[in-house]
Amino acid sequence: NAGVTQTPKFQVLKTGQSMTLQCAQDMNHNSMYWYRQDPGMGLRLIYYSASEGTTDKGEVPNGYNVSRLNKREFSLRLESAAPSQTSVYFCASSLTGNLQETQYFGPGTRLLVL
Amino acid sequence: SQELEQSPQSLIVQEGKNLTINCTSSKTLYGLYWYKQKYGEGLIFLMMLQKGGEEKSHEKITAKLDEKKQQSSLHITASQPSHAGIYLCGAVYMNYGGSQGNLIFGKGTKLSVKP
Repeated sequence: NAGVTQTPKFQVLKTGQSMTLQCAQDMNHNSMYWYRQDPGMGLRLIYYSASEGTTDKGEVPNGYNVSRLNKREFSLRLESAAPSQTSVYFCASSLTGNLQETQYFGPGTRLLVL
Repeated sequence: SQELEQSPQSLIVQEGKNLTINCTSSKTLYGLYWYKQKYGEGLIFLMMLQKGGEEKSHEKITAKLDEKKQQSSLHITASQPSHAGIYLCGAVYMNYGGSQGNLIFGKGTKLSVKP
């Protein structure tokens, strides 16, 4: 099993450009998450999907959209990138979203917005 | 999040020494996770604590949750270079409606182990 995979690993964008970060998991998990990690801020939840067909806002959803394409895939889209969105983005998944199941994380996507 | 404070922010220890990292919450925790992150990689789950006074160990790493469920400590015995990385605590709180909230992370503790 590959676990949680993310593409791309690195990306440089100009302000105003758009892009989609891809995430896939092969563990048959129901819940998926997108986080961003910034120095001094820790990990913050952007959006999550408790199950296929549902998505909900997390702590910092502004400037992002998500799509739960199917059970395996959960994408994060930046419609008009801003320098404030320079960050490391992590995708995670868990079996049901309950406390007893841990979240498994992908390796991250490093995004630089100029 | 200001609800969750980790200390210290960074730590440099000599190989073989013991160390402790703390995670303090401003309110009662429903559950507490510990993760480890290496540079350029994702988070690796270490342990999850839920009951007051609970203690779990994995190899040379022990995590405890205090009786009041507001503070957790992560203790590494006889540290090795392989222990180096960023340790993050993650907390789950109960919402006002009684449902389980989302995972909230501390800012992390960067651990360096000198050979």
